[in-house]
Amino acid sequence: DSGVTQTPKHLITATGQRVTLRCSPRSGDLSVYWYQQSLDQGLQFLIQYYNGEERAKGNILERFSAQQFPDLHSELNLSSLELGDSALYFCASSAFGTANTEAFFGQGTRLTVV
Amino acid sequence: GENVEQHPSTLSVQEGDSAVIKCTYSDSASNYFPWYKQELGKRPQLIIDIRSNVGEKKDQRIAVTLNKTAKHFSLHITETQPEDSAVYFCAAPRNSGGYQKVTFGTGTKLQVIP
Repeated sequence: DSGVTQTPKHLITATGQRVTLRCSPRSGDLSVYWYQQSLDQGLQFLIQYYNGEERAKGNILERFSAQQFPDLHSELNLSSLELGDSALYFCASSAFGTANTEAFFGQGTRLTVV
Repeated sequence: GENVEQHPSTLSVQEGDSAVIKCTYSDSASNYFPWYKQELGKRPQLIIDIRSNVGEKKDQRIAVTLNKTAKHFSLHITETQPEDSAVYFCAAPRNSGGYQKVTFGTGTKLQVIP
């Protein structure tokens, strides 16, 4: 157990819908990262938050948004869903916002868009 | 640039043989290089990392080497076992304005044949 909790584990929804994925980082970790992993694909960096503020952005679609709350949990909102958004979404956390720290991954949320 | 290239994409070895996976990065500011292992259906987990002030690091059957001049680092697994079968990702986080931005390689699917 990495200490990072993601809910829900599985999500099935229809095209055009909106969903929210939730992540609770390890106790004390200030940074949260979101990644998308499509079937048999690599980890695509979406966005990073540090202590409530957006710090870095990757290839995140405009239909996607995220935020980190004062209690440090984070939510990834996916709207106007398309079939191609079906993927495993990972959240990871690390202690600081610097480059030299290990990232701990949650178990992921598997999103299926039908 | 911040791309990380990883080779090979798939690798099959006989049990007991060695496996080598190589990553090349482009940002000379990168100074921390972790390797993650992702077993089927599970979360990525850190297995070894190396910092830029060290050329090699070893932990039992796994080792990582770093060549900063050539901007590449490699994962070496000796005496491979079936449980080493997984997808391995390299990463080259870097500081961007004092904050971390992580780029993962595309992954190497390692199959160890008993």
